[in-house]
This record gives sequence, structure tokens and C-alpha cells, in this order.
Amino acid sequence: DAGVIQSPRHEVTEMGQEVTLRCKPISGHDYLFWYRQTMMRGLELLIYFNNNVPIDDSGMPEDRFSAKMPNASFSTLKIQPSEPRDSAVYFCASSGGGVRTDTQYFGPGTRLTVL
Amino acid sequence: QKEVEQDPGPLSVPEGAIVSLNCTYSNSAFQYFMWYRQYSRKGPELLMYTYSSGNKEDGRFTAQVDKSSKYISLFIRDSQPSDSATYLCAMSGNAGNMLTFGGGTRLMVKP
Repeated sequence: DAGVIQSPRHEVTEMGQEVTLRCKPISGHDYLFWYRQTMMRGLELLIYFNNNVPIDDSGMPEDRFSAKMPNASFSTLKIQPSEPRDSAVYFCASSGGGVRTDTQYFGPGTRLTVL
Repeated sequence: QKEVEQDPGPLSVPEGAIVSLNCTYSNSAFQYFMWYRQYSRKGPELLMYTYSSGNKEDGRFTAQVDKSSKYISLFIRDSQPSDSATYLCAMSGNAGNMLTFGGGTRLMVKP
């Protein structure tokens, strides 16, 4: 089992640029979560999907952030335009497939630096 | 005040020590309690999962939940340098979909 796959692992960009983070969940899982982790705020849930449909996006900080899940095996988190305060580690997690949805499996994360 | 509070540490102990990690919470709707372990530059991984109050043991790890006090603990016996990581508590309610995480406690076990 490959686990949750995220790309890129590291991203350095300049303020104002568009950033796209990608996630492939574990096959058979029907829940997908996007989190952001910083030293100051810890691990924060941004948005989660069930069967490719966004269920709760109340954690998305502002309109600059958007997330899509076009199919069961792929999701993107986009930041446009990016700002230095968006610098963080972004994690994707998946769950489901008959297991309780709070048993989440995390990817390795994307470390984003916005200069 | 955060829904889940966790001492950030760092907590430094010698190898072989018993480690106690704790979280307090305010939301009485939480029913399911988890501990995740996160190594440096890695994603969190589920370590222990418990429902409601009581104890659960898995090898060197014991999770305790006291819902009356809104307090959960993770004990690590015979701690090893490989246990050095950040430990995050997490909780969910009946819906089970969304987790609320503590800020994490960084643990260092010195040989």
C-alpha cells in the first residue's frame, strides 16, 4: 500500500504567485482532508471531502484558498495569490473504506515557503 | 481558549523512563480519543485509539481517558530514543468525521 501521496514535497515561491498542492488518497478511502500545520497554530483542518464532494470548508482561511476533488484518486489545494503568511506544512489525509472516518492516514506533507 | 490544550514541551527524559503525556479538553461532545505520533518532517501517524472513558494498552503504550475530568493521557513505558517525536492528541464527536487536534508535545528520549 503506497499510502497517501503528496506533491511537491517542497515548494518555494514568491509572494503573489499561484501555488498548487496535490494529493492522491489511499485507494478505497472516501474521505479526504486538507490540513495546515504551523508552529503558532498547530494542525488546522482546512477542508474535507466525502465522495469527492466538499463537506466543510469553514477552515479555509480566505478566498485565496480553493480546493477541488475531481475524482476519487486526486485532489488539489490552490492558493492564489500566495502570501508569506501562507508559509506552512500542508498535509493531506484520507480515511474511510469501512473504517471509522476519524482514523485518518496522513501523507508526508508539502512544505510551502512564500518569500 | 482552545478546545484541546496540550503542553508543547519539550519533554526530555532518559532512556528507560516512563513518560506521561496529557491533554485537556472542553467539549463534552467528544467521544473518541486518539494519539498521533509525528516524527520530524513526517506526517502524523495514528498510535492509539480509544472510545469513551477507560484504558487501552498496546505494547509499551497505554492510553487513558477520564471523561468526567475531560483529561486524556498517554503513557510510554521503557521509553526508547526512537520514541523521540511530537505526540498529538486528537478527538472527535459522534459524527466522527472531523478531528480536533491538540498542539502537540515534543518528546526527546536521550540514550
